[in-house]
Amino acid sequence: QLQLQESGPGLVKPSETLSLTCTVSGDSISGSGYYWGWVRQPPGKGLEWIGGFSYDGSTYYNPSLKSRVTFSVDTSKNQFSLKVTSVTATDTAVYYCARAVTGTVPYWGQGTLVTVSS
Amino acid sequence: DVVMTQSPLSLPVTLGQPASISCRSSHSLLNSDGNTYLNWFQQRPGQSPRRLIYKVSNRDSGVPDRFSGSGAGTDFTLEISRVEAEDVGVYYCMQGTHWPWTFGQGTKVEIK
Repeated sequence: QLQLQESGPGLVKPSETLSLTCTVSGDSISGSGYYWGWVRQPPGKGLEWIGGFSYDGSTYYNPSLKSRVTFSVDTSKNQFSLKVTSVTATDTAVYYCARAVTGTVPYWGQGTLVTVSS
Repeated sequence: DVVMTQSPLSLPVTLGQPASISCRSSHSLLNSDGNTYLNWFQQRPGQSPRRLIYKVSNRDSGVPDRFSGSGAGTDFTLEISRVEAEDVGVYYCMQGTHWPWTFGQGTKVEIK
């Protein structure tokens, strides 16, 4: 059964870089036909796609965040990662990693809260 | 971006009664491949979103058949035929036709 688990610091200072890792178990991250991505949810608010990538090299960024977001993959550890630079309080959110296929998101991690504060 | 508008945003329901949530998109969600990528998710308090419905009306494995989805183009509906206590939570529609994928604001279902 596919499982995704986010990890990373729960507190980041303003102007610094938020870094999160998603560890995938139950399937290989290098399999074809899937997209691996990130969604965030500010406390008490709705959901926002950050972006994602497929193993064939396609990458998708939400234009609202594109200039600050980087994705990376470590196939040896079956992990993928998110970096968001120059964070502000508005980046405070629960961050979910997810596996998507065309047009939909069947699998989600449990989420991790990242607070931006000095 | 495609704007997804849900209504109502709050839905108090009596146990055993039906409930209906509307979702309207600012652009048609009919994709060039012939599919309409409209999804419904349930988010229980303190949990991750859980997909209930994909491609408008396809129910996920394990989702009770009291949940059903319908619609086309820009107008979609999630219906719960008889609300149970475990259905409390926030329901989101999400379009996966146009990038960036976008969600509705969420509809909070609570028991009266």
